[in-house]
Amino acid sequence: GAGVSQSPSNKVTEKGKDVELRCDPISGHTALYWYRQSLGQGLEFLIYFQGNSAPDKSGLPSDRFSAERTGGSVSTLTIQRTQQEDSAVYLCASSNRQGQQPQHFGDGTRLSIL
Amino acid sequence: DQQVKQNSPSLSVQEGRISILNCDYTNSMFDYFLWYKKYPAEGPTFLISISSIKDKNEDGRFTVFLNKSAKHLSLHIVPSQPGDSAVYFCAAPTPDSNYQLIWGAGTKLIIKP
Repeated sequence: GAGVSQSPSNKVTEKGKDVELRCDPISGHTALYWYRQSLGQGLEFLIYFQGNSAPDKSGLPSDRFSAERTGGSVSTLTIQRTQQEDSAVYLCASSNRQGQQPQHFGDGTRLSIL
Repeated sequence: DQQVKQNSPSLSVQEGRISILNCDYTNSMFDYFLWYKKYPAEGPTFLISISSIKDKNEDGRFTVFLNKSAKHLSLHIVPSQPGDSAVYFCAAPTPDSNYQLIWGAGTKLIIKP
């Protein structure tokens, strides 16, 4: 399996709970991206990691959202105190180096907040 | 203003005919564009790209045309096949970051047998 792997594929949780979404990028890819896709919309940029540089968090919609990337590989996106408007598909992508296109995507985590 | 717009939410085309998907953008500083294809419950898959130094790029059945003066690009699929039924997104890296992609809302292409 050489592609980007995301888990879980689906997550249903109650409003107010915290959730953690995981992304395993393509081996050797130094750039990692998180996006969110709401129903009927294009993808919305959330955060970008490149190697050991400070991440670009400019797309995170609120301070309830955070992400980390350990050891330059696996990344987790955490949403605290979930709200119904957080319901969306969260997509992770990776690429070979900074700014290189195209980005290669995982299949996403479909998050539903009840 | 950095927007990428796909004004047609859906398009239905007969198998074997040409499919033309359109995309408009607002920022003349965009210099690279990508088309992605997305099946349900899967992530987007890169299809084809074009640099602003070109006005056409071709890969098999897929051709992308860029009209910089009109800030318009289009994806042509010839001939259309049933497996082409998917949602197609156009995207462009923001000029100031070159990694953050700005996405259109997508066009759902349906190929009729």
